[in-house]
Amino acid sequence: DIQMTQSPSSLSASVGDRLTITCQASQDIDKFLNWYQQKPGKAPKLLIYDASDLESGVPSRFSGSGSGTHFTFTVSSLQPEDIATYYCQQYYSLLTFGGGTKVEIK
Amino acid sequence: EVQLLESGGTLVQPGGSLRLSCAASGFIFDDYDMSWVRQAPGKGLEWVSGVSDDGGTTYYADSVRGRFSISRDNSNNMLYLQMNGLRADDTAVYYCAKEAHDILTGGNWGQGTLVTVSS
Repeated sequence: DIQMTQSPSSLSASVGDRLTITCQASQDIDKFLNWYQQKPGKAPKLLIYDASDLESGVPSRFSGSGSGTHFTFTVSSLQPEDIATYYCQQYYSLLTFGGGTKVEIK
Repeated sequence: EVQLLESGGTLVQPGGSLRLSCAASGFIFDDYDMSWVRQAPGKGLEWVSGVSDDGGTTYYADSVRGRFSISRDNSNNMLYLQMNGLRADDTAVYYCAKEAHDILTGGNWGQGTLVTVSS
């Protein structure tokens, strides 16, 4: 099974800050990596697929990069509505989610 | 508008069985693979199971293989998850999800249904 290690598990940032979340796969997954946003009490929503492709309708302040085993998710300028938990997910072999990163406003 | 509406979640005793349903509308159901994903209270996401668009191929997480069974009724736009041998660690909100971008969970998700396994 492919394990996904996401860090940090939580972070606090100010509006306008740049924030970065990383995800490490236990084996090479090429670019089969997605990022989801989950707001409290809601279902998750796909933001980035195939490591760096922005889902339609998602603001351009969200971006992703990486391939192989190391991936990065970036919010270029944090907005109040970005308060959520973010998950990476591999789909190279079945599907596995990372443990999540809870983002709070400082 | 795509809608996915889960139902069937309830309190069940350990060792019991339960069938979850997901009613789909707003898209051509039999064009898409579908999945179930769960989230234990206060915890992260865990993919549970997936099924191909024609129902002919199924996929399971190791944690549920042999206990859970996914199926679909394309005539009635319904997705199901039959859960047997339920354990306390199966307690979670269960979401159904639609495929997009060749990703089993890449499309719309339902609002979830809560399954509680407890005596």
